[in-house]
Amino acid sequence: DQQVKQNSPSLSVQEGRISILNCDYTNSMFDYFLWYKKYPAEGPTFLISISSIKDKNEDGRFTVFLNKSAKHLSLHIVPSQPGDSAVYFCAASPQGGKLIFGQGTELSVKP
Amino acid sequence: KAGVTQTPRYLIKTRGQQVTLSCSPISGHRSVSWYQQTPGQGLQFLFEYFSETQRNKGNFPGRFSGRQFSNSRSEMNVSTLELGDSALYLCASSKGTSGRNTGELFFGEGSRLTVL
Repeated sequence: DQQVKQNSPSLSVQEGRISILNCDYTNSMFDYFLWYKKYPAEGPTFLISISSIKDKNEDGRFTVFLNKSAKHLSLHIVPSQPGDSAVYFCAASPQGGKLIFGQGTELSVKP
Repeated sequence: KAGVTQTPRYLIKTRGQQVTLSCSPISGHRSVSWYQQTPGQGLQFLFEYFSETQRNKGNFPGRFSGRQFSNSRSEMNVSTLELGDSALYLCASSKGTSGRNTGELFFGEGSRLTVL
C-alpha cells in the first residue's frame, strides 16, 4: 500500500510564478516529513523538512506546509526558476522507522 | 568530503542471473539504506543497515538481500533476476546515531540495472 502519495506525476509552471507540489499520507504515526529533489542521472538531494510539531517551515524560496488533520503537506517554490525543473519526492517517517517516499512529481519551469 | 559512491553505475544482466551492487557511504556515516526507483513507483524502500545489522526491511521478496561490513560499506544482491527488477538502485547514507533514521539521507547516483 502506498502510504505516501503524490497524485500529480507532473507540473508545469511559468518562470517567476509559484510552484505548489502536493503530498498526502495515510499513516498517522508519521511525525517527520521531507522533500527531496532529483535531477536526471543524479541521486536525490535533501531540500527541506518539517516536524509534526510545526505547520510551516521556510528556507529561502522554499516553504513546506503541513496539515496534520488532513494528512497533507505541500511544497511551495516562489519564485520558480528554470533550474528548479526536476523530480520532487516527498517522504515521511514515523519515530524510529524508515523513510517512505512518494512516487515523485516532475516539475517543469518554463522561461 | 566524498559523497556516497555506488558501483557499478550501469549494468546489463539476463533473466535468472544474479547481481551484486556496492555502496560506500560518506565517511562517519553508519547507516546505509537501499531504495529501488522505477517509473511511477517512486522510491521503494528495500532495507536499511546500521552497524552491520539490518534495522528495517521493505516489502521485497527474499531474492533481494543485503549486508553491511564493519567499515559501513554495504552490498545488495539480487538473485534469479526478473525483467521487473530493471530499475535504478539507490543507496543512501546517514549518521543514524540516534536510532531514528530521519533527517537528511545522502544519496549516491545509483546503479542502473537492466535485465534482458
